[in-house]
Amino acid sequence: DAKTTQPTSMDCAEGRAANLPCNHSTISGNEYVYWYRQIHSQGPQYIIHGLKNNETNEMASLIITEDRKSSTLILPHATLRDTAVYYCIVRVPSGNMLTFGGGTRLMVKP
Amino acid sequence: GAVVSQHPSWVICKSGTSVKIECRSLDFQATTMFWYRQFPKQSLMLMATSNEGSKATYEQGVEKDKFLINHASLTLSTLTVTSAHPEDSSFYICSARDGQVIIDTQYFGPGTRLTVL
Repeated sequence: DAKTTQPTSMDCAEGRAANLPCNHSTISGNEYVYWYRQIHSQGPQYIIHGLKNNETNEMASLIITEDRKSSTLILPHATLRDTAVYYCIVRVPSGNMLTFGGGTRLMVKP
Repeated sequence: GAVVSQHPSWVICKSGTSVKIECRSLDFQATTMFWYRQFPKQSLMLMATSNEGSKATYEQGVEKDKFLINHASLTLSTLTVTSAHPEDSSFYICSARDGQVIIDTQYFGPGTRLTVL
């Protein structure tokens, strides 16, 4: 799995968009970008994934740069309940376990 | 989306006793389930991979005789912590893999907090 780099922490005002970056400069052509988040004392929650095209679902949008070396997870209207640790994971779909790095601790403030 | 449940959500036990944690996929069949452990302020660490009908595969440093894993059906995997000690106190989380490898998303249970006195 390709290594990812994420900021340790970020703040966001409630109601504003939260943009969480992830660098994955060594990503290979068949590796997908997955995002999960973990709210305090809960299990991780799947958010979104993508290969090269931008993706959107009911939770978030995923913007992947054309060279695929970085991506941004966008929460369009952050709420206090979005306060969590967000993990960016790059891997080939293989059915194997997920490797979690340090993630970004997002604090949404009133 | 797919739902994974865990039971119990928390447990307190005495040192030397055994504790069983159940992980169920509620609306899909999971041929593979994973067991993770998370200590305070740390990330999740994989303990073992559980495949239905076969023996679990343990990560290096995880004692298979201490952490017994059974995956007897496509919707249930259990983790038994045998002869628990205070250092086994942790947050135990299971996940179940969606069967479509091309998507390969994993759905996590809510976790079980184990405290060994």
